[in-house]
Amino acid sequence: QVLLVESGGGVVQPGRSLRLSCAASGFTFSNYGMHWVRQAPGKGLEWVAIISYDGSNKYYADSVKGRFTISRDTSKNMLYLQMNSLQPEDTAVYYCAKSYSAYDELDSWGQGTLVTVSS
Amino acid sequence: EIVMTQSPATLSVSPGERATLSCRASQSVSSNLAWYQQKPGQPPRLLIYGASTRATGIPARFSGSGSGTDFTLTISSLQSEDFAVYYCQQYDDWPPRYTFGQGTKLEIK
Repeated sequence: QVLLVESGGGVVQPGRSLRLSCAASGFTFSNYGMHWVRQAPGKGLEWVAIISYDGSNKYYADSVKGRFTISRDTSKNMLYLQMNSLQPEDTAVYYCAKSYSAYDELDSWGQGTLVTVSS
Repeated sequence: EIVMTQSPATLSVSPGERATLSCRASQSVSSNLAWYQQKPGQPPRLLIYGASTRATGIPARFSGSGSGTDFTLTISSLQSEDFAVYYCQQYDDWPPRYTFGQGTKLEIK
């Protein structure tokens, strides 16, 4: 079965950087688009970014464009989110999720990793 | 950006009764609409995609309908495990800018 395990969350000061990782297993990672979605404490879901199956196309929410970078390493079945210039409003649980195929529904989700941006 | 608006924000229903949740898009998203269920401390779970197709393992009491801008998630006979927050999401926008509704909390009456 599909398993997605996020790591790399923690407490970081405003303006600093953090890299999240997501280890994927149970499916052919190189065949699917992958996403990051976040959820601020007590709030709803916010889509962050998507990367195509081969890593050639990447799209971002306006709120993170220019600060966050999504990437993948197919040889390691890993998804990443490099987050720069972090702000308190970036505080959230970050989920990685798998697309059903390319640019469609998110059919599998990890358990999430908490990022707290605070001085 | 396509804005998704869900109503009501909170819905109180008794077990065994029917629940109807609504989602409206600010512009047509065709049938590129999904519904997710989220319980406290858990990640979201895909329920419905393509506006009306149940995901694998989802009970038949969950059904989705609609196209264009107006969508509905119906739970025909509520079970205790169905009380959760439900989100709609569109995946029609291009370039991709997926957007979620703000959620409907389904609580026990």
